[in-house]
Amino acid sequence: EDKVVQSPLSLVVHEGDTVTLNCSYEVTNFRSLLWYKQEKKAPTFLFMLTSSGIEKKSGRLSSILDKKELFSILNITATQTGDSAVYLCAVEAISGQNFVFGPGTRLSVLP
Amino acid sequence: NAGVTQTPKFQVLKTGQSMTLQCAQDMNHNSMYWYRQDPGMGLRLIYYSASEGTTDKGEVPNGYNVSRLNKREFSLRLESAAPSQTSVYFCASNRDRATEAFFGQGTRLTVV
Repeated sequence: EDKVVQSPLSLVVHEGDTVTLNCSYEVTNFRSLLWYKQEKKAPTFLFMLTSSGIEKKSGRLSSILDKKELFSILNITATQTGDSAVYLCAVEAISGQNFVFGPGTRLSVLP
Repeated sequence: NAGVTQTPKFQVLKTGQSMTLQCAQDMNHNSMYWYRQDPGMGLRLIYYSASEGTTDKGEVPNGYNVSRLNKREFSLRLESAAPSQTSVYFCASNRDRATEAFFGQGTRLTVV
């Protein structure tokens, strides 16, 4: 059964801190791993990763995938209160038609 | 460009009542999905439609039915609502496999 685990489940930091969110997975015939940010409502897309070792970057956010060890990390540097959200990791299998989501990491950034 | 639109945003049902959640996308996407999100459990797939005219069960299909009315619209029906179906429901779509999914704003459903 395909499975996605995220850690930590909850994290509280202060503005300016750097955080690392973890996502590990077990999936048959891996195709891609995606990160989403969910504030109050709809998840919004951050990154899609398909190859190991290639960092994707967007502003203060970056992410990398390790297909050998079956995990990905999402880094946020110089955190701001606007980064407070639930960060979701999802994995897609080649044979599947859908994404399997992890439970999410709830990040709270305090001023 | 509206993206993915869900209606209603909120709904309260009594046990045994039925209702249909509507979803429409204007991005000409082939695939559409219905998820439910419960605390601590992430998003779980209820049903999906890989293309117009096809639907398939996801992880938690019991108690639900779907209709892919056309390429734009994918509805989710609860025939006889139960308190266990209290959840936030999200519709999503993507162009095809290996592309990111776009989500609607969600429907918060409470069954009492």
